[in-house]
Amino acid sequence: EPEVTQTPSHQVTQMGQEVILRCVPISNHLYFYWYRQILGQKVEFLVSFYNNEISEKSEIFDDQFSVERPDGSNFTLKIRSTKLEDSAMYFCASSGAGTSRSYEQYFGPGTRLTVT
Amino acid sequence: LAKTTQPISMDSYEGQEVNITCSHNNIATNDYITWYQQFPSQGPRFIIQGYKTKVTNEVASLFIPADRKSSTLSLPRVSLSDTAVYYCLVGAQRSNDYKLSFGAGTTVTVRA
Repeated sequence: EPEVTQTPSHQVTQMGQEVILRCVPISNHLYFYWYRQILGQKVEFLVSFYNNEISEKSEIFDDQFSVERPDGSNFTLKIRSTKLEDSAMYFCASSGAGTSRSYEQYFGPGTRLTVT
Repeated sequence: LAKTTQPISMDSYEGQEVNITCSHNNIATNDYITWYQQFPSQGPRFIIQGYKTKVTNEVASLFIPADRKSSTLSLPRVSLSDTAVYYCLVGAQRSNDYKLSFGAGTTVTVRA
């Protein structure tokens, strides 16, 4: 069964550094998402991406964040100048086109980001 | 999005049926009801989606009464591996991208 993959599984960085989280969505999917989950809290939407541009973003997704699909397979989330409060699990998800179940998104295993 | 209310936690034992009820009094005509499951340290996973009456798949059943103001996710004969957080989401059906808005969910703990 196809699955979404994410690398690295755990990233430790110092405050103020830049990190890039990588995702490989399911190959025939067209819609891509990033969510985050701070430890013990709910899953929060960050951004959705379609046709090489952001289609929707949340208030969390400010100028510190950016997304890119640099090639036909990878989808990345860049966090510039990381802060302690950026420590969280970051999930990538993807969904297909023309599905009768538009709420069916496939999530990756997550990248645990720890900012020290 | 319609506001949803579900219990914070539920305990069960192996082999029992678990029923989680979600209230969504303000559900709109175009809204569908979707349930996700999240195991510890993993991403959420789609379980089931329905509009009315009953939907069943290999994992669960979803019961939706005629007024659609609530829905019940039924997990038959749970095992220890069904311990997870279960989320009820309500929103309009779309054929394109959609942000998922997760609440706190219901933490189901299955004991031996």
